[in-house]
Amino acid sequence: DVKVTQSSRYLVKRTGEKVFLECVQDMDHENMFWYRQDPGLGLRLIYFSYDVKMKEKGDIPEGYSVSREKKERFSLILESASTNQTSMYLCASSRATSYEQYFGPGTRLTVT
Amino acid sequence: TQLLEQSPQFLSIQEGENLTVYCNSSSVFSSLQWYRQEPGEGPVLLVTVVTGGEVKKLKRLTFQFGDARKDSSLHITAAQPGDTGLYLCAGEGASNYQLIWGAGTKLIIKP
Repeated sequence: DVKVTQSSRYLVKRTGEKVFLECVQDMDHENMFWYRQDPGLGLRLIYFSYDVKMKEKGDIPEGYSVSREKKERFSLILESASTNQTSMYLCASSRATSYEQYFGPGTRLTVT
Repeated sequence: TQLLEQSPQFLSIQEGENLTVYCNSSSVFSSLQWYRQEPGEGPVLLVTVVTGGEVKKLKRLTFQFGDARKDSSLHITAAQPGDTGLYLCAGEGASNYQLIWGAGTKLIIKP
C-alpha cells in the first residue's frame, strides 16, 4: 500500500512565524504535490514537484515555498504565516506518468 | 480554462436511500477520477473512468463517464452511514500530471 505521511495532524502558529510542513512517501513516486483545502473551494494546488530539486508553481503559490532535497520528502514552507493561511494542507504523490494521486492525512494549520 | 462543477454541494439522506451526484464540465477530459474524503483524513481514490460511456461498479457505488467525456456521475444504492464523506471528482489537467478538481459533494447518511 502507498503510504503518505505528514509531520503533524494539527498545528497552531502565531502570525509572522516561519512554518514547516513535512511530507514523506514510501512508494518511490516521482511526483509530489501540496494542496490547501478550504470549505466550498475544493483542493487548490500550491506547488508541484516532478523530481528532486524540481518544482513548479501551482494556482496559489504566493506566501509559500517548497523544498525537495530527497525523492521521498517534500516540504512546504510558510515564510511568514498569516491568518489567511489558516487551512487544511494536504500532500499527495503519484507515479511519473500517472494522474492517480495518493494523499496524506492532512495538517490542519491554525494561524492566530 | 477547464472547470469541473459538482452537484449538489450538500446532500443529507436517510440510510437505505439511493442517491446520485454529478460532475460536469464544458471541456472534454481524457479521464476522470472519483475520490472520497472522510472527516479529518485525506482523499482516497475510488475509481478512474477512461472511456466515454464507461460504467464501473464498486460494491454499491456505480460510476459512469459520459459519452462525450465531459461529465460523470456517482450513484450509491442503499446508502449506509459509512458512505458519509466528501466526494470529489478530478480530471486530467493540461500539464505535468496535475489534476483539475471539483469543489466536492458533502454527503451525510443518517442512521
